Amino acid sequence: GAVVSQHPSRVICKSGTSVKIECRSLDFQATTMFWYRQFPKQSLMLMATSNEGSKATYEQGVEKDKFLINHASLTLSTLTVTSAHPEDSSFYICSKAPGQGRTDTQYFGPGTRLTVL
Amino acid sequence: QQPVQSPQAVILREGEDAVINCSSSKALYSVHWYRQKHGEAPVFLMILLKGGEQKGHEKISASFNEKKQQSSLYLTASQLSYSGTYFCGTKSQAGTALIFGKGTTLSVSS
Repeated sequence: GAVVSQHPSRVICKSGTSVKIECRSLDFQATTMFWYRQFPKQSLMLMATSNEGSKATYEQGVEKDKFLINHASLTLSTLTVTSAHPEDSSFYICSKAPGQGRTDTQYFGPGTRLTVL
Repeated sequence: QQPVQSPQAVILREGEDAVINCSSSKALYSVHWYRQKHGEAPVFLMILLKGGEQKGHEKISASFNEKKQQSSLYLTASQLSYSGTYFCGTKSQAGTALIFGKGTTLSVSS
């Protein structure tokens, strides 16, 4: 069964509004989660690493003030796209790092498709 | 840092074989293979850890040559359900995030 869930699966919003995407680990606790973004016909690009109880680490070129990440619990990480614009329309996918002692497999959530009008 | 995949696209008839390659300029800890269907999240196929092992999943197998920093995905006797985009993801250390190649689009027709 699924080990990572995301909500919502699809969201349409107006330009200038903020959108929050939730990513939950369903089996074991995840101290680290990863956020990716995928534009049409392109690869998955790592946006940031979310660490429980500390600040997220953002990849080069990703605006941390625009993409707010909160990892307040061991099973939940949220990504908030602030003041969204049409160019932020994309497929956002979260993934959790494997737990200690487990294989290095990285499981992905089902993704959230964001459309900004 | 992004691994390089080849070819970009493959067109097959059912029953034919294909090989997808993934290479990195950095030393690798692990290579992961995923398949993604249009509009869906990527689905995990297999992981290869350094050690040169080869793994299999039904008629899909893969190899990892850590000295050459390369991995290959082998699809034999392809089925219509194999169609999709295949991504390799690499890690230089355990626990870090996967970095993905640009993908290889596989189309299988009857």
